[in-house]
Amino acid sequence: SQQGEEDPQALSIQEGENATMNCSYKTSINNLQWYRQNSGRGLVHLILIRSNEREKHSGRLRVTLDTSKKSSSLLITASRAADTASYFCATQKETSGSRLTFGEGTQLTVNP
Amino acid sequence: DTEVTQTPKHLVMGMTNKKSLKCEQHMGHRAMYWYKQKAKKPPELMFVYSYEKLSINESVPSRFSPECPNSSLLNLHLHALQPEDSALYLCASSQGLAVTYEQYFGPGTRLTVT
Repeated sequence: SQQGEEDPQALSIQEGENATMNCSYKTSINNLQWYRQNSGRGLVHLILIRSNEREKHSGRLRVTLDTSKKSSSLLITASRAADTASYFCATQKETSGSRLTFGEGTQLTVNP
Repeated sequence: DTEVTQTPKHLVMGMTNKKSLKCEQHMGHRAMYWYKQKAKKPPELMFVYSYEKLSINESVPSRFSPECPNSSLLNLHLHALQPEDSALYLCASSQGLAVTYEQYFGPGTRLTVT
């Protein structure tokens, strides 16, 4: 079963603007990961944040994790048309091994 | 090489057909996965193999039959599928089953059951 919820379900912005997506989950986790999926293609791993970390950066990506609120956010700065994709958060629990539990995803559209 | 390849890219099959999906990785990963993804939904885990042995079966119907002939290959044999089985089937691999390992996904096989 999917334990994650993401909001918004869809987000449309102009190139150059920042995009923020949120993810909430229900149980304790070992880590939370963000993936990108271009239309009908495979998933690309973006970033992993462990439960003892609060913030992580990778290029134009910034991820935060608040374990007390069981939530995470993904910020993409200075967005580009090529960032148009679906973004999924996924959690892993120590007791579930490598099993990824995905959120429902956010469809991001960046307009040129 | 950080690539997971999947063949075919697209597959159309009738409900009485038997077909197979193939997944290959040459990263030396010892865990491999099958996911099913319906349109506009997140991937759902189907099977996990670790060291060529089935580790997790998420109560998948027997018309889906996984096989891991060696550490680089993962097959999904399909038989007597239903139209609702139409979906994108994704393969992934990771170094192992520990939560610290990233999963690398293939581009998927788009399956249509008529």
